[in-house]
This record gives sequence, structure tokens and C-alpha cells, in this order.
Amino acid sequence: DAGVTQSPTHLIKTRGQQVTLRCSPKSGHDTVSWYQQALGQGPQFIFQYYEEEERQRGNFPDRFSGHQFPNYSSELNVNALLLGDSALYLCASSLFGGVTDTQYFGPGTRLTVL
Amino acid sequence: GESVGLHLPTLSVQEGDNSIINCAYSNSASDYFIWYKQESGKGPQFIIDIRSNMDKRQGQRVTVLLNKTVKHLSLQIAATQPGDSAVYFCAESRISGGSNYKLTFGKGTLLTVNP
Repeated sequence: DAGVTQSPTHLIKTRGQQVTLRCSPKSGHDTVSWYQQALGQGPQFIFQYYEEEERQRGNFPDRFSGHQFPNYSSELNVNALLLGDSALYLCASSLFGGVTDTQYFGPGTRLTVL
Repeated sequence: GESVGLHLPTLSVQEGDNSIINCAYSNSASDYFIWYKQESGKGPQFIIDIRSNMDKRQGQRVTVLLNKTVKHLSLQIAATQPGDSAVYFCAESRISGGSNYKLTFGKGTLLTVNP
């Protein structure tokens, strides 16, 4: 049974560019949440996708957008990259997405913006 | 405001000792709390959770204590092992009122277990 997978593992971009990160949820899960984790900090909630729609959003600008596909996989897009967007981006999947439904995290994508 | 914080950024213990990791929260509306473990190069892993109608919950070698009066949460690890070395995060959320799916994480405590 595959866990949560994310791609790519590492990514280097320059300021102003756009990036797309991908996540495949754990088998049987229908909800995907995205988090940003800066170095030495705890993860910060970006948004959650359920039934192909953004269900809740954290305090992130519109440069951060996402998508969920019919197979429940998800993408995180970040436009007009800033140096401050450098972080580990984590994807978490769960069944139904309620806060008491255990979230399973992937290993993350390390994004470096130069 | 909504925030979750930790008293100590690092904790070093001897193998076999008990570990206690503390966490303070400020949002009185929080009614659900979770502890996560994050090993180097991996995503956070669920350890144990507790709802605000409880003050203690036990798992395998772990116990979470919740003191709502002082908005304090702790994670106790019994007989700490080298494999317990990791960063530990507390996270909070709100169940009541519906329409909330967000977890708010604290900064984390680095636990180092010395052999």
C-alpha cells in the first residue's frame, strides 16, 4: 500500500518564475492538504482540496493556487516566485479531511528560489 | 490571536529516561490537539491526539496531558529510545462550529536521545 508521494524531491527556481508541485495521496484517501514548512519552523497550512474544490485556505496570497484531479491527486502552483517562498512543501492526505481524520504526510518537495 | 508555541526548542535525554515535551497554545477556541514527530528528511508522522473534553490520553509509550486552564499541552515519552530522536510538533485545531479543516502547528522541539 503506497503512502503519500510527492514530486519532484528537490527543485531550484529563480525569482519571478512559476513552479508546479505534485502529490499523490495514500490509497483510499480523497482529501489533500498542502503545507509550507520554512527551515526551523512548523508547517503552515496553505489550503485543502476535497471533491476537486478548495475547501479552506490559510493566509497565503493568490500566487498560491492548486488543483485536485478526479483520481484525488493534487498540484500546488506558485506564481511569481519570491526568495521567501523557499521552503519544504508538504502534502498530506486523509479520508474526508476532517481535523480528527488522521493526516498522512509525504516526504515533501524542497523548493529553493534564487 | 491564533498561535501554538513551545517552551523549549531543544531537549537532550539519556536513552531509557522519560522525556517531556511541552507546548502552549493561546486560542481558547481550540478543542483538538495533536502531536507529530518529524524525522530528518521525512514528513510529520501522527503520534497521538486529544480532545478538549479529556485531560489525559495514553498510547504506546506516549502520554499526552492537556491543561485547559493554563492552555498547556505536554507529550511524555517513556523509556526514550534512540529512534525517538526527531523534531516534535504540537498542532491545534477546532472541531466545534464546523467548516474548519486547518491544523496550526507550533515551531517544534528537537529531541536528542544520547546512548
